[in-house]
Amino acid sequence: GAGVSQSPSNKVTEKGKDVELRCDPISGHTALYWYRQSLGQGLEFLIYFQGNSAPDKSGLPSDRFSAERTGGSVSTLTIQRTQQEDSAVYLCASSLVRLAGETDTQYFGPGTRLTVL
Amino acid sequence: AQSVTQPDIHITVSEGASLELRCNYSYGATPYLFWYVQSPGQGLQLLLKYFSGDTLVQGIKGFEAEFKRSQSSFNLRKPSVHWSDAAEYFCAVGTTNAGGTSYGKLTFGQGTILTVHP
Repeated sequence: GAGVSQSPSNKVTEKGKDVELRCDPISGHTALYWYRQSLGQGLEFLIYFQGNSAPDKSGLPSDRFSAERTGGSVSTLTIQRTQQEDSAVYLCASSLVRLAGETDTQYFGPGTRLTVL
Repeated sequence: AQSVTQPDIHITVSEGASLELRCNYSYGATPYLFWYVQSPGQGLQLLLKYFSGDTLVQGIKGFEAEFKRSQSSFNLRKPSVHWSDAAEYFCAVGTTNAGGTSYGKLTFGQGTILTVHP
């Protein structure tokens, strides 16, 4: 079946502009995650959505970063007033959270490469 | 807080040789452990995972990993490397909640780049 998809695949923007990155999770997956992959920091957790629960925003680096998930499916990560240090690959993942004792492997999308000039 | 260490930033092996990629984790409870592979320009692909039970787990592409609680390790192995295995490999630990299900974030190691010589 279809995997996690992300758009755009590449985004070049000017410092100070806002950007929106989109993630379409695997159909039926209840959990959605955003990560950032950069040369200096490796792979970092940003935010996690699970069903109707309040999202875990503990990884967002600043208040310029926000994310929403509409209808329990598609998610948008927004970065306001972009800075050069925001340049990275932003990865989205989804998983099917089961009952206690079961597993929920995260499946990753191809990522969006963001370049801030 | 949990952490993952991959001591080897870059490993080079000859095609057909055996491979072992090291991973050490720090986590207060029983960990959920993963190995992912990333080819250039691609997303992360799951190789294998350990949640419980048999400490030797088999994955895709002929990879296996062994969970050793006493050493806090989850090393990845392959008996014979193919040129197509050249990629970056990430070890990750997942948090668990009180119910024992895996949830929330993965914490990744810094990755090990594998180069395969013909």
